[in-house]
Amino acid sequence: DTGVSQDPRHKITKRGQNVTFRCDPISEHNRLYWYRQTLGQGPEFLTYFQNEAQLEKSRLLSDRFSAERPKGSFSTLEIQRTEQGDSAMYLCASSLGTGNSNQPQHFGDGTRLSIL
Amino acid sequence: LAKTTQPISMDSYEGQEVNITCSHNNIATNDYITWYQQFPSQGPRFIIQGYKTKVTNEVASLFIPADRKSSTLSLPRVSLSDTAVYYCLASGLGNYQLIWGAGTKLIIKP
Repeated sequence: DTGVSQDPRHKITKRGQNVTFRCDPISEHNRLYWYRQTLGQGPEFLTYFQNEAQLEKSRLLSDRFSAERPKGSFSTLEIQRTEQGDSAMYLCASSLGTGNSNQPQHFGDGTRLSIL
Repeated sequence: LAKTTQPISMDSYEGQEVNITCSHNNIATNDYITWYQQFPSQGPRFIIQGYKTKVTNEVASLFIPADRKSSTLSLPRVSLSDTAVYYCLASGLGNYQLIWGAGTKLIIKP
């Protein structure tokens, strides 16, 4: 049983650089979510895809953040011109479902981003 | 704001039963209650989900009273490896944006 995988597990970069993370969901899952988590807090929703369509994006999300899921399979999250405040764990989750959000989400172990 | 409220932390001892209560006074009719467990440097893991009354699986039980304004996650005979953060969420139809609180940090002592 292959779970959700994220790459890289850790990323250290200088402020102002662009970074891209990849998420490979469970193969039969049509839904994919991105979250950000800082120490001591629960995950914060960033964006959501159903198949290749990006259906929801957090209003708190800066325009420096963009996500894609080109073929409805893997997804990438890009952060442009990184800032100190972007340092966090970035989590990807996938689930199977259609009309509701009751299906449990399966999470990867995240990409930890550190901005120097 | 999260739709649910939980204690910030709890501690217990190995072999004990642990009950973590979650308050969700404004739960919607079609919302389910879902609990996740998270260890440091890992993503959350699904534990159990329910709508009302009682649900039991191989790791936990979930009790939801008739008014559905609260729920209780019950972990039988905990071990040191149950030390983790536990999150309670309410979500339902058309609500794709799960709102997570800070969870309950459970510490199990020997």
